[in-house]
Amino acid sequence: QQQVKQSPQSLIVQKGGIPIINCAYENTAFDYFPWYQQFPGKGPALLIAIRPDVSEKKEGRFTISFNKSAKQFSLHIMDSQPGDSATYFCAASITAAGNKLTFGGGTRVLVKP
Amino acid sequence: GAVVSQHPSRVICKSGTSVKIECRSLDFQATTMFWYRQFPKQSLMLMATSNEGSKATYEQGVEKDKFLINHASLTLSTLTVTSAHPEDSSFYICSARDPGGSNEKLFFGSGTQLSVL
Repeated sequence: QQQVKQSPQSLIVQKGGIPIINCAYENTAFDYFPWYQQFPGKGPALLIAIRPDVSEKKEGRFTISFNKSAKQFSLHIMDSQPGDSATYFCAASITAAGNKLTFGGGTRVLVKP
Repeated sequence: GAVVSQHPSRVICKSGTSVKIECRSLDFQATTMFWYRQFPKQSLMLMATSNEGSKATYEQGVEKDKFLINHASLTLSTLTVTSAHPEDSSFYICSARDPGGSNEKLFFGSGTQLSVL
């Protein structure tokens, strides 16, 4: 059972555009929602994370929007650059259950120059 | 920032041999480490949780006798793929949690690409 559904699977934008990636979860016990960036042949790197008591969080060009009632959260990449081309994963975990991450399926983002 | 070192980055082996992958936390002591498996263009699937000084906890469907995990010290966890077969070929990634505690302090290694011929 996939507990975190991510869409779209891939995304192409022009430089300066705003890729938007969406995730939906089922388990209401999740209380930590991070986003990771992964380049080919490398491990994921934490970009930004949010908890359910906050509806939006910004760090640099990355923004998370969180809708608790809809059980959805999204990542926006402002002023995207070719160097942002990577695979992005949303994830969710339950702090009291040892923080094991459940990952979404991933979104391959290509930013064209 | 904290770094998790994973070695080797790439390994090619013959079918039937065993392969050991190391995961080290370089500037913090990790009481808990996680091992993931990732197939091409797919997501990360948690294989097991490695706890220092105790047995690893395996996720459903992961063969504990096939994927041996040892977490003998606070800075090192190893994953041994025993009697590897071509279907074990995958990208294996570890992560380590800084016990200082917040969820944010979970760091990933750079992964190991295993190819079994």
